[in-house]
Amino acid sequence: GAVVSQHPSRVICKSGTSVKIECRSLDFQATTMFWYRQFPKKSLMLMATSNEGSKATYEQGVEKDKFLINHASLTLSTLTVTSAHPEDSSFYICSARVLGIGTDTQYFGPGTRLTVL
Amino acid sequence: AQTVTQSQPEMSVQEAETVTLSCTYDTSENNYYLFWYKQPPSRQMILVIRQEAYKQQNATENRFSVNFQKAAKSFSLKISDSQLGDTAMYFCALHIYNQGGKLIFGQGTELSVKP
Repeated sequence: GAVVSQHPSRVICKSGTSVKIECRSLDFQATTMFWYRQFPKKSLMLMATSNEGSKATYEQGVEKDKFLINHASLTLSTLTVTSAHPEDSSFYICSARVLGIGTDTQYFGPGTRLTVL
Repeated sequence: AQTVTQSQPEMSVQEAETVTLSCTYDTSENNYYLFWYKQPPSRQMILVIRQEAYKQQNATENRFSVNFQKAAKSFSLKISDSQLGDTAMYFCALHIYNQGGKLIFGQGTELSVKP
């Protein structure tokens, strides 16, 4: 199957600082990647759709100036949490879309646990 | 609007037995995919099985199979010969063609396999 990596796996930062999370498709090219947020024992909440070479599409209620997404290449999307606050502490997961004849599937990264002190 | 409902927040099964997880969905679209993903304690989301709506035959992947009832909008997952490694959160998800690849997830079912 397709492999997606995320870095870092865990990050602790101070309130007011910015944190960048990278999502890479390792063995395929992905024109579309997705960013999710997940709270404990809850389902995944889609934050935004990241398209290579264009602006990200954010879901309703997600602050685009706070969660900056850049999809500069076919294998890399980044999520930057700007001016992080404790309420931004969460588990962030990315996925990459594999689109082909007869298939349209998302493969997920291992997630990043963000703790804001 | 499309929705996915998993009505069983928690389930448990004895090792080597069979368990079925329920999922219902709602959409007015005719072309879509359905998925089951597994999220073990490591929290890595793993694709378990995929079903194209136009296919009448139920998908199977080794010990995992689905019962896809399109008219009833039901998509249950059967796990045979349950193993301890099957302990995880299971999410049912719906993907509508030509809607940018977005997945709509259910609330999840936490499955515990007991020795």
